[in-house]
Amino acid sequence: SQTIHQWPATLVQPVGSPLSLECTVEGTSNPNLYWYRQAAGRGLQLLFYSVGIGQISSEVPQNLSASRPQDRQFILSSKKLLLSDSGFYLCAGDDRGSTDTQYFGPGTRLTVL
Amino acid sequence: RKEVEQDPGPFNVPEGATVAFNCTYSNSASQSFFWYRQDCRKEPKLLMSVYSSGNEDGRFTAQLNRASQYISLLIRDSKLSDSATYLCVVNGASGTYKYIFGTGTRLKVLA
Repeated sequence: SQTIHQWPATLVQPVGSPLSLECTVEGTSNPNLYWYRQAAGRGLQLLFYSVGIGQISSEVPQNLSASRPQDRQFILSSKKLLLSDSGFYLCAGDDRGSTDTQYFGPGTRLTVL
Repeated sequence: RKEVEQDPGPFNVPEGATVAFNCTYSNSASQSFFWYRQDCRKEPKLLMSVYSSGNEDGRFTAQLNRASQYISLLIRDSKLSDSATYLCVVNGASGTYKYIFGTGTRLKVLA
């Protein structure tokens, strides 16, 4: 089964600073990849998904962007963070229809001050 | 109406009790259904997929009712370690890539 790696585990950033979160996948090729955000006490909100290199679909208009420069690398970025960007960011991958099951990375807890 | 709805709880149950959660979904074309478990400040982890025929894994049983558009999770002989938030997840119609997550049901198993 696939393993999702994310870093850093926690991050504290000032408002207006840039952001780059990286996610890499092990154990599978050509996965679908996803970025989610979970605000405190809330459900998971899908931010972006990607079905292949360079292919990004955005679900929520905001100041975040995503890129997939390699098959097993997915990056979440922002040029200027807002207070409302605070949350728990999770990268996930699925096995492209084999079982439709999603596996999650350990997440990055972002606090914007 | 939310696409996936769950009772947020918390469900406080004694050790050894049986507890059941339900989850309703709005898209009748949904294809795949899952229960995930999420511990505090951790990532969700797959508990079990939910098949049309129902499935069982040890103390956990999942059922799908397509006619009424709900899925259920039954936990028998609850353990302290079962305390967590249980997320209902529904995959959209074929050809989409959207997993819709419920906000979760919180379970606390008490000694």
